[in-house]
Amino acid sequence: EIVMTQSPASLSLSPGERATLSCRASQSVRGNLAWYQQKPGQAPRLLFFGASIRATGIPARFDGSGSGTEFTLTISSLQSGDVAVYYCQQYNNWPGTFGQGTKVEIK
Amino acid sequence: EVQLVESGGGLVQPGRSLRLSCAASGFTFEDYAMYWVRQGPGKGLEWVSGINWNSDKIAYADSVKGRFTISRDNAKNSLYLEMNNLRTEDTALYFCAKDTYAYSVTSGIGNWGQGTLVTVSS
Repeated sequence: EIVMTQSPASLSLSPGERATLSCRASQSVRGNLAWYQQKPGQAPRLLFFGASIRATGIPARFDGSGSGTEFTLTISSLQSGDVAVYYCQQYNNWPGTFGQGTKVEIK
Repeated sequence: EVQLVESGGGLVQPGRSLRLSCAASGFTFEDYAMYWVRQGPGKGLEWVSGINWNSDKIAYADSVKGRFTISRDNAKNSLYLEMNNLRTEDTALYFCAKDTYAYSVTSGIGNWGQGTLVTVSS
């Protein structure tokens, strides 16, 4: 199985600040990576697939980038509604595997 | 509207079996890859198993391989997960989910159910 490692484990920023979340794969997954947002008590929501293709309804302040083994999710101007845990997932090889998540909080 | 409704969870003793079901509606079920993803209490997401639209591509996480079996019935718009020899570490909320686009396993998990809780305890 491909191991996905996310950093940092948690992030606490002020509203309006830029959040940068990283995801690293143990081997190349090409561009076959997705990002999800999970708010407390809810099912996950797809943010990006293909590393940088924004899913339907995702605001432009969210941006996904990267390929191969290094990926980044950026929230350009953090809002209170962005408080959540963010997961990356590779689907280049089955079984698909998730990172352990990055918890984003507001100061 | 896409709906994925899981059922079959509950309390079960270690070593016993359980079968989860997922009833799908609001889309052409037979055209989509489907998945089971679980989340242990206070833990992250874990990809459990996936099956493509015609069942010729199936995979399992190492943690469940040999114990769990995924299947689908396209005539009944239903996805299943047969879980045998359950362990305490299988305790989790089990989500049924579908790929974003038809005939694709490379477009991310675009729709999720609300999950069914499986508790393995003596």
